[in-house]
Amino acid sequence: AQSVTQLGSHVSVSEGALVLLRCNYSSSVPPYLFWYVQYPNQGLQLLLKYTSAATLVKGINGFEAEFKKSETSFHLTKPSAHMSDAAEYFCAVSGTIWNNDMRFGAGTRLTVKP
Amino acid sequence: DAGITQSPRHKVTETGTPVTLRCHQTENHRYMYWYRQDPGHGLRLIHYSYGVKDTDKGEVSDGYSVSRSKTEDFLLTLESATSSQTSVYFCAISEVGGSNTGELFFGEGSRLTVL
Repeated sequence: AQSVTQLGSHVSVSEGALVLLRCNYSSSVPPYLFWYVQYPNQGLQLLLKYTSAATLVKGINGFEAEFKKSETSFHLTKPSAHMSDAAEYFCAVSGTIWNNDMRFGAGTRLTVKP
Repeated sequence: DAGITQSPRHKVTETGTPVTLRCHQTENHRYMYWYRQDPGHGLRLIHYSYGVKDTDKGEVSDGYSVSRSKTEDFLLTLESATSSQTSVYFCAISEVGGSNTGELFFGEGSRLTVL
């Protein structure tokens, strides 16, 4: 079975500062890992995904995440925050490519201060 | 954007009444999912489907049933709604093969309030 823990339900950064959202996972099989973003009153959009091709994964809007097996982590980063990055971010893990066993973290709400 | 339409987008109902939420897709994807989103819990899988008439339970399936009679439609039914089923419900679709690599695409959600 898979599970995800997102550290910090709320993260606040200043515009232009580094964004770091933390995600640790547990999986009994090699995992597929995902980060999704949710803007108010919308569904989730895929930011990036790890499927074992490369440990550093680049996504949309300047975000990237690094898969660290030894730390069971998949933290999301962005070098310079923009006001438009304010949203809720979800980390998710799956053990199959069909994703019928996908588990989501509780989410981290990112606030960007001017 | 993936062609996923959820209806209704908002519904208020009373305890004990039946409720059906509809998810319609135009992408011809095999896999369809119903999730519920609650504060502090992220998204939790209710039921999923891997083809017409093929469905299975997720981690929070009690009190819910689903049906898929056509590729494009996936219905979620609450036979007798309870206040604990007040939530935002999301439909998602995915496909594997060709240019598709299994990631989920989500609808915009249906907000259900059970009084």
